[in-house]
Amino acid sequence: DAGITQSPRHKVTETGTPVTLRCHQTENHRYMYWYRQDPGHGLRLIHYSYGVKDTDKGEVSDGYSVSRSKTEDFLLTLESATSSQTSVYFCAISPREQGVQPQHFGDGTRLSIL
Amino acid sequence: DAKTTQPPSMDCAEGRAANLPCNHSTISGNEYVYWYRQIHSQGPQYIIHGLKNNETNEMASLIITEDRKSSTLILPHATLRDTAVYYCIVRSMDSNYQLIWGAGTKLIIKP
Repeated sequence: DAGITQSPRHKVTETGTPVTLRCHQTENHRYMYWYRQDPGHGLRLIHYSYGVKDTDKGEVSDGYSVSRSKTEDFLLTLESATSSQTSVYFCAISPREQGVQPQHFGDGTRLSIL
Repeated sequence: DAKTTQPPSMDCAEGRAANLPCNHSTISGNEYVYWYRQIHSQGPQYIIHGLKNNETNEMASLIITEDRKSSTLILPHATLRDTAVYYCIVRSMDSNYQLIWGAGTKLIIKP
């Protein structure tokens, strides 16, 4: 399995508080992604990174920011969490985007905003 | 919106081949078909992908029709551990490479 660690695995917090989720990889892959998954739906892309300090928005980026200061870590921040951001968050990595290499996923962070 | 259509659920007997269909009638020439699965509460797991030729690996076979408008994922000898949601995704190589996920097929393997 790909070396991807997401932390924390579970978090409960209150509306309006900041939240940061961490994705750590040991594969030295260039590309990293954050997705959210809601009940009955497939995954939706929030943000992705194509290198250190290089990031771009995905389909559902409003309310989220990301940072990548080193190859192995990709952080997802909810500046002021809202109940609509209650979801399961998955990180994924791939060696190259321009190509056919598949993305490999972490085990997810279950986030509840009360 | 997802560019694929899959049945919402399917059953298969343990030990039999599970054949999961996917329709991607609007697929373009440079788009690959990917299959992932997600076992309850886990991250999605990559299974296989293809462009126009049939593909086989240690997990499954992928059969793509000649017109590329549909494909079938085949699990040759399904086990109870293959119970999962299976996602068929088309991915363009000249866009921003996003994977657009649909709702998938819930495959239940019965003993």
